[in-house]
Amino acid sequence: GPKVLQIPSHQIIDMGQMVTLNCDPVSNHLYFYWYKQILGQQMEFLVNFYNGKVMEKSKLFKDQFSVERPDGSYFTLKIQPTALEDSAVYFCASSSRTGFGNTLYFGEGSRLIVV
Amino acid sequence: GDQVEQSPSALSLHEGTSSALRCNFTTTTRSVQWFRQNSRGSLINLFYLASGTKENGRLKSAFDSKELYSTLHIRDAQLEDSGTYFCAADLGFASALTFGSGTKVIVLP
Repeated sequence: GPKVLQIPSHQIIDMGQMVTLNCDPVSNHLYFYWYKQILGQQMEFLVNFYNGKVMEKSKLFKDQFSVERPDGSYFTLKIQPTALEDSAVYFCASSSRTGFGNTLYFGEGSRLIVV
Repeated sequence: GDQVEQSPSALSLHEGTSSALRCNFTTTTRSVQWFRQNSRGSLINLFYLASGTKENGRLKSAFDSKELYSTLHIRDAQLEDSGTYFCAADLGFASALTFGSGTKVIVLP
């Protein structure tokens, strides 16, 4: 099936440092998403992105978070500076459309540990 | 409160038996997806439904948009069916999905 690739799969970072999580979405997809999952808990929507812009974001998408997809390359989530509570698995997803038939495909996640 | 209520939170069943998971929605839902999250954390797409039922092997899912619920049936459970199952609803918010809290399924020999 369609594949979403995420890099890195794991990262340990000191509190206060910057981290960038990379996502390579399904090739013909136009809508991109980030979700956050704290261990053992449910998936929480962070943000979605279309045509170079943030469409919607949740309360979890703090000011320290930013997303971009420069020139059709990786769709990235940047956290600067990181905080201890940012430790979680971050999942990227993409879809080809919105509305009817909107199927999201998820990557395998990037596990972030902030120490 | 939660807009996607998933039950049960955990389920143990023996190989060869069957069971069902359910998600209730508290608001209009355009579609639902079901995923299984394996021990590595990967989310595997199981079903997308905008209405009606779909079947894939021993799994069957239904979505009733009027009564606001969806079900996932596991028939003749096998050990590889173990994992955490999530329903996720398209509630019309940014075309993102709102996830249920998950059902941890353990299939016992």
